[in-house]
Amino acid sequence: KQEVTQIPAALSVPEGENLVLNCSFTDSAIYNLQWFRQDPGKGLTSLLLIQSSQREQTSGRLNASLDKSSGRSTLYIAASQPGDSATYLCAVKYGGATNKLIFGTGTLLAVQP
Amino acid sequence: GAVVSQHPSWVICKSGTSVKIECRSLDFQATTMFWYRQFPKQSLMLMATSNEGSKATYEQGVEKDKFLINHASLTLSTLTVTSAHPEDSSFYICSARGLPSTDTQYFGPGTRLTVL
Repeated sequence: KQEVTQIPAALSVPEGENLVLNCSFTDSAIYNLQWFRQDPGKGLTSLLLIQSSQREQTSGRLNASLDKSSGRSTLYIAASQPGDSATYLCAVKYGGATNKLIFGTGTLLAVQP
Repeated sequence: GAVVSQHPSWVICKSGTSVKIECRSLDFQATTMFWYRQFPKQSLMLMATSNEGSKATYEQGVEKDKFLINHASLTLSTLTVTSAHPEDSSFYICSARGLPSTDTQYFGPGTRLTVL
């Protein structure tokens, strides 16, 4: 069964700290992996998309890495800000571009001012 | 960028009634739309995939007669929760895929359904 899990489930850090969120997947034959942000009661905002042939993607203070062989991805957030507080979800796609996304369990991040 | 809207954003209904949720792609043609359900503090679970003009494909464990999906046009899909019960209370999110990029899903803002 293809499963995606995220650790930790919740994380609280002081403002300015660098942090890492983890995502692991059981089947390493992925097509791509995507990180999303979800604010309370809201939809999803795509942050970064990593294709299976890529090792990492960067956008501003965010850096996502992908290690297919170990079935892992990390989302690195530099110099965290209170506005970064949200739930972060990773999602994996298998097979091809038109296939469905399998979402992880999410990490609830709170950045304390 | 591509925008997906949902209506209503929240709805409260009595047990036994039916509720329709709309998902629209505002500036692109959505050949495929997805419906997800998210219970409190849980992740998104795919309910069904619908392609324009075709019957929806439901995930295992999702009752197709209870969750009716219609994707009659390239910009609109609807999810109808029939004979809703309190256990159907959840956050329903749709996403759409199509031009400009067939590899990307664009997510709607979600609909909060509360069944009394």
